[in-house]
Parts: sequence; C-alpha cells; structure tokens
Amino acid sequence: DGGITQSPKYLFRKEGQNVTLSCEQNLNHDAMYWYRQDPGQGLRLIYYSQIVNDFQKGDIAEGYSVSREKKESFPLTVTSAQKNPTAFYLCASSISTDAPYEQYFGPGTRLTVT
Amino acid sequence: SQKIEQNSEALNIQEGKTATLTCNYTNYSPAYLQWYRQDPGRGPVFLLLIRENEKEKRKERLKVTFDTTLKQSLFHITASQPADSATYLCALDPSSGNTPLVFGKGTRLSVIA
Repeated sequence: DGGITQSPKYLFRKEGQNVTLSCEQNLNHDAMYWYRQDPGQGLRLIYYSQIVNDFQKGDIAEGYSVSREKKESFPLTVTSAQKNPTAFYLCASSISTDAPYEQYFGPGTRLTVT
Repeated sequence: SQKIEQNSEALNIQEGKTATLTCNYTNYSPAYLQWYRQDPGRGPVFLLLIRENEKEKRKERLKVTFDTTLKQSLFHITASQPADSATYLCALDPSSGNTPLVFGKGTRLSVIA
C-alpha cells in the first residue's frame, strides 16, 4: 500500500529534551511538509522540502530542525528551544510544490511535553 | 495582510439538508483552491480541487464553487449524513511560485440525525 507513515502516534517527553518525529512516504513524491496543528489554529507550516538535500523554513520554523537525506524520509526534530512544543504534528507529501498537486497526509503524531 | 478565512468555526445541520461552508481570502490571487476533510485525531484527506477558470466542480454529493471576483469558494454537501460530520479545510496556492498551500482554520460540521 502506498502512503505516508508517521511514528509514533503518541509521544511524551520531558521539557528540555530534543525529540525526533519520523515521517516516511513510499509515494515517490518530491515534496514533503511538516505542519503543526493546535486547537482553533488550523495547519501551520513548519518546514518543507522540494527535493532531497534541500528544505525551506515555513511560518513557524523557530525551535525546529529537519533533514532530507533520502527522498522517502523527512524527520522533524523538536528542540528544547521550542517554547510550546505540545501539539499535533502532521507530515504530508505531494508530487511537487508546483500547482496543482494535492497533499497526502500522514496520521499525525501527538506530542506532549511536560 | 494576506488572510484565508472560513466563515464559522462550527456548523450544525440536520440530516438530509445541504451544508454550505465558506472560504474567503484577502490579498491572494490563487490559481486554484482545494478542499480537505479531517476527522478527529487524523490527517486531512483531499476532496476536491477547483481552478480559477472553473466556476463549479462536482464529485458525488459534493460541489465546490470558486468566485475570483468575490474572492470566495463555497463547499456544498447535499443530502448530508451523520458520516459527513468532520472538519473541512480549504487551502489555496499563494501563486508566488513553488510555495506550499496555505490552509484555512477549518469549519467543524456536525450533521444531526
């Protein structure tokens, strides 16, 4: 089955620790994205990548880092510098960032930092 | 400033009626607009795409319109069912070249039996 997987579904961390969220796709898509979703806030773009070994900051990149060493993988690290990391994180992919391709989303990871 | 707004946070309708959701935008000139469905605790799922030169698009019980003069898209679900209850997100391309979609905050639709 083709699709996007995110793991784990739930993640708990102590404040001050870095944590890495996994995102893998087997759709052969060039573009991948990370979003954060908070209640009442909609989807906010953290980082995106149009091609392997390249990525750009989105609207709320501070406190996050990414890498794109393989086409199918786009892990997100939530660093201790992120002031309010508890949220629902969604990874997505598309054929490219060029219109008009729809985005395919993973099931999400709910991160709780205490 | 650029904005994309969905008319209401929540909408309740009776089963069998038509649900109409609104997406308005300011200071964008999108070439197309997309609608997604999101169920609680899950990722959004793509439903429909409409281009700027299309007035209307249909898929089964779904209909989307796109009015570039009013800077608005309407999303209709006819003969609504409780299974249609979900949050619906609109998204547009910022038309600034190879930049990702911009999403609205969504409208939570509840269809009451």
